[in-house]
Amino acid sequence: EDKVVQSPLSLVVHEGDTVTLNCSYEVTNFRSLLWYKQEKKAPTFLFMLTSSGIEKKSGRLSSILDKKELFSILNITATQTGDSAVYLCAVRGETSGSRLTFGEGTQLTVNP
Amino acid sequence: NAGVTQTPKFQVLKTGQSMTLQCAQDMNHEYMSWYRQDPGMGLRLIHYSVGAGITDQGEVPNGYNVSRSTTEDFPLRLLSAAPSQTSVYFCASSLGGYLYGYTFGSGTRLTVV
Repeated sequence: EDKVVQSPLSLVVHEGDTVTLNCSYEVTNFRSLLWYKQEKKAPTFLFMLTSSGIEKKSGRLSSILDKKELFSILNITATQTGDSAVYLCAVRGETSGSRLTFGEGTQLTVNP
Repeated sequence: NAGVTQTPKFQVLKTGQSMTLQCAQDMNHEYMSWYRQDPGMGLRLIHYSVGAGITDQGEVPNGYNVSRSTTEDFPLRLLSAAPSQTSVYFCASSLGGYLYGYTFGSGTRLTVV
């Protein structure tokens, strides 16, 4: 059974701080790891990391994948109040087909 | 391009009532899934479909039925609502395969009293 554990579960920072969110996983025949941002409504896609793409960056957000140690981190630099959200990590393995297994999420609050 | 459309956005049911949550996508995605989201539990897979006419159970299927008669639609039926089914429900779709993420609908907040 695939498993995803995210830490911390919640985090409160001030604008301008840098944060690191963690995601560790257990999955049979890893295929991909995805990060989503969820504000009030639907999760929105941030990054997908695979064996051939272990590092992604978009603006102030970046993510890396360590396939050996079975974890990923999501970094957000110079945080803004608009970064306040739940960040979800999900994995997909060969035996799960296209299904995703999600972690609990990290609730990030950025105070002005 | 509407993406993934879920209806209704909010619903209150009495215990024992049945209802159908609607999900439609206009992206010609083969893969569709239903998740429920509860505090402290993340997103849990209820049922999924890899194409029209094909459905399968996810992690928490009890109390729910699905069907997939067309590529576009993937309704979720609650047979006899229970308070434990109070949750936020998300429908999601994907092109399928390992290289594509899922696009989520805006969710249905369901309360069973």
